[in-house]
Amino acid sequence: EIVLTQSPGTLPLSPGDRATLSCRASQSVPSSFLAWYQQKPGQAPRLLIYSASSRATGIPDRFSGSWSGTDFTLTISRLEPEDFAVYYCQQYDTSSSLTFGGGTKVEIK
Amino acid sequence: QLQLQESGPGLVKPSETLSLTCTVSGGSITSSSYYWGWVRQPPGKGLEWIGNTYYSGSTSYSPSLKSRVTISVDTSNNQFSLRLTSVTAADTAIYYCARLPRITTFALDYWGQGTLVTVSS
Repeated sequence: EIVLTQSPGTLPLSPGDRATLSCRASQSVPSSFLAWYQQKPGQAPRLLIYSASSRATGIPDRFSGSWSGTDFTLTISRLEPEDFAVYYCQQYDTSSSLTFGGGTKVEIK
Repeated sequence: QLQLQESGPGLVKPSETLSLTCTVSGGSITSSSYYWGWVRQPPGKGLEWIGNTYYSGSTSYSPSLKSRVTISVDTSNNQFSLRLTSVTAADTAIYYCARLPRITTFALDYWGQGTLVTVSS
């Protein structure tokens, strides 16, 4: 079973800052099978990025995804007040099973 | 617009069976393009995938829950359901149903609002 490790656990930043979130897989994950979600308190998660770098419908272009080997990165270029939330990465495998990372909380510094 | 809505008891006694249903509206559960899944989130904690089903009835389950989970599909009512047996307090969580495209994004693109299930006597 693939394990996804997200870091840091908490990221204190200010509006306008650049946020860089990491998701490391314990073994190779095809980029097409890696997604990122945003979750705000009291809400269901929202899909941000799929296939490691493709933005979901309606997602602003300040959100971007990239990868290198087993390391995946979500970048928020300039934090808006509504971007302070918890972010999860998720991988899919060919048996149709999913795994989530533990999450990174982006909080106001 | 696709919508998913969870329903079921909010309180379940320890050792009993948790049963939830997800009703899909605005789209057909029999589309060959999607799996339909369940995810849970204990209060204050992260997301945990429970399992998926396909309209044909095929399923995939989390290894850690496989012995206690059954996910089934009811195409006539455009619903799919979750059964989790022998529950304990550790099963207290918000339970979400969601759609999983199996050909394009491989990510959960539509979610229900979630329903809190508390396990307590």
